[in-house]
Amino acid sequence: QQPVQSPQAVILREGEDAVINCSSSKALYSVHWYRQKHGEAPVFLMILLKGGEQKGHEKISASFNEKKQQSSLYLTASQLSYSGTYFCGTVGSGNTPLVFGKGTRLSVIA
Amino acid sequence: KAGVTQTPRYLIKTRGQQVTLSCSPISGHRSVSWYQQTPGQGLQFLFEYFSETQRNKGNFPGRFSGRQFSNSRSEMNVSTLELGDSALYLCASSTGGRYGYTFGSGTRLTVV
Repeated sequence: QQPVQSPQAVILREGEDAVINCSSSKALYSVHWYRQKHGEAPVFLMILLKGGEQKGHEKISASFNEKKQQSSLYLTASQLSYSGTYFCGTVGSGNTPLVFGKGTRLSVIA
Repeated sequence: KAGVTQTPRYLIKTRGQQVTLSCSPISGHRSVSWYQQTPGQGLQFLFEYFSETQRNKGNFPGRFSGRQFSNSRSEMNVSTLELGDSALYLCASSTGGRYGYTFGSGTRLTVV
């Protein structure tokens, strides 16, 4: 079952912060985050495993609330290079595949 | 280290024809997954293979099929093409469940 992402789109000025949310109705083993720029393949950002950890990647970090089956991606002090579509992907318990949300289009303007 | 290679990059086919897409994963990656990407639906899961076995299949009609070879290379086939099959088909490989996926550049299929 596809996770639900919000917001669908967001426009930021350079230096502003953003949060992208991802929620699932099923028990999760892991949450993945990817960024896709126009005309390119999705690029892996980070994976959060069952256990409620928080991870960081430069100025981009994420959290995973295992009890609520929710994850959030935090982008701080955004840069023009952060523009793109962000996808969360979830893997349920058991031998289930990685399925993606519909994405959040992030535009950073000068 | 070579990335995930998908061939061909672009394809134009006529309704009713069939098509085969190829994916060579990163060396050492035994898991290969396929996704269909369209503007309205995002990334839709098609198949997942691990060590030549189909581990999962998405909610697509039987016209969509795939396989994985002993060298981990994978192919997917779409028979009796329909206009709605026009999409970007992405392949991704991984070493396992605790690691991220690396995507190929995709095959852009246009059905006319």
